[in-house]
Amino acid sequence: GDSVTQMEGPVTLSEEAFLTINCTYTATGYPSLFWYVQYPGEGLQLLLKATKADDKGSNKGFEATYRKETTSFHLEKGSVQVSDSAVYFCALSNPNAGNNRKLIWGLGTSLAVNP
Amino acid sequence: NAGVTQTPKFQVLKTGQSMTLQCAQDMNHEYMSWYRQDPGMGLRLIHYSVGAGITDQGEVPNGYNVSRSTTEDFPLRLLSAAPSQTSVYFCASSQRPSFGTTNQPQHFGDGTRLSIL
Repeated sequence: GDSVTQMEGPVTLSEEAFLTINCTYTATGYPSLFWYVQYPGEGLQLLLKATKADDKGSNKGFEATYRKETTSFHLEKGSVQVSDSAVYFCALSNPNAGNNRKLIWGLGTSLAVNP
Repeated sequence: NAGVTQTPKFQVLKTGQSMTLQCAQDMNHEYMSWYRQDPGMGLRLIHYSVGAGITDQGEVPNGYNVSRSTTEDFPLRLLSAAPSQTSVYFCASSQRPSFGTTNQPQHFGDGTRLSIL
């Protein structure tokens, strides 16, 4: 079945460092891919998404490119801030799932940014 | 816009007690879901609904019931609380996807932190 694999955390960076959080997926057909962010004590929020190969999603300085050849959707940011400290979840949704269009979630990657 | 509202935010129960976690959304979303979030296990789907009057089981439905009598509300009932149900519970909603497309992004509530003693 469909699955999402994220790099394990926690990831600890200094402010202004470059961030990469790896995400790879297994799915038939052409799924949509998402990154969600969960700030401490809050629910998840959509950060960015891509719905077809080579699409680049971007928001708040974060980017991720849908790479079908490597089945990846890595999250990147050029210069992280302390306020980016959160847990990041990669997820996919597959139209081949029919009416059960549930999201398939990665386990989340915790990011801590130190001043 | 309130978005997705979950109540209560915190709850402590004794083993064997029952309770209902409330979830309401004001975005007229057809799809609603309940997840539990546990350390090292990510999000696991408990139950979901694709519209009023329609519910289905997710990955971990045992010990939980849901109903969807209105578009706005999707309560989650714990029938007889067990320590294994200690978790953070999230409700989410989304628009119905257009034909041939995939899920619309989900909107999450802030969660209910539940402890079973």
